[in-house]
Amino acid sequence: AQSVTQLDSQVPVFEEAPVELRCNYSSSVSVYLFWYVQYPNQGLQLLLKYLSGSTLVKGINGFEAEFNKSQTSFHLRKPSVHISDTAEYFCAVSEYNAGKSTFGDGTTLTVKP
Amino acid sequence: GAGVSQSPRYKVAKRGQDVALRCDPISGHVSLFWYQQALGQGPEFLTYFQNEAQLDKSGLPSDRFFAERPEGSVSTLKIQRTQQEDSAVYLCASSLKPIGRDGYTFGSGTRLTVV
Repeated sequence: AQSVTQLDSQVPVFEEAPVELRCNYSSSVSVYLFWYVQYPNQGLQLLLKYLSGSTLVKGINGFEAEFNKSQTSFHLRKPSVHISDTAEYFCAVSEYNAGKSTFGDGTTLTVKP
Repeated sequence: GAGVSQSPRYKVAKRGQDVALRCDPISGHVSLFWYQQALGQGPEFLTYFQNEAQLDKSGLPSDRFFAERPEGSVSTLKIQRTQQEDSAVYLCASSLKPIGRDGYTFGSGTRLTVV
């Protein structure tokens, strides 16, 4: 069975500061990894994904994440956040050929002026 | 359509009532998923279709929950004899490729409140 732990439930930061949202996973097999963003009253939107190859993946809105197999982590980063980045962020893992994804409980990012 | 469409957007049901939630995936998307999201938690997997075949229903919490996708496009999630613990947001997602390898496109969800 796979599981996902998002280490911070809430992350407050000031505008233009860097941010890192942490995600650790556990699985006995190879996995795909995803980050989704959920704005209020909207569905989840795919930010970025790791399937294979380069461990540093870039996504939309200036976000990037790095896959670290030895630490089973997939942390999300942005060098300078905007007010509009305020949202809930979910990390998810999917085992090869499994179909379903397992999600973490989310991290609320609040960007303050 | 341009995105995944779910209806109704909100549903209030009396305990014991049956409900049906509809999902219109993106045209041509092979895979369709249903997830349940309780307040303050991440989505929990319910079931997965590849075209009209239901390949995984391991997440359905009880036999009161039933999903179908008879023609490989629109899907319906039915909950019989609703209970208060069924209150949640029900999310539908679709993916162009089998098993959602490239990630999902989610709908806005149906918020079900059982009173």
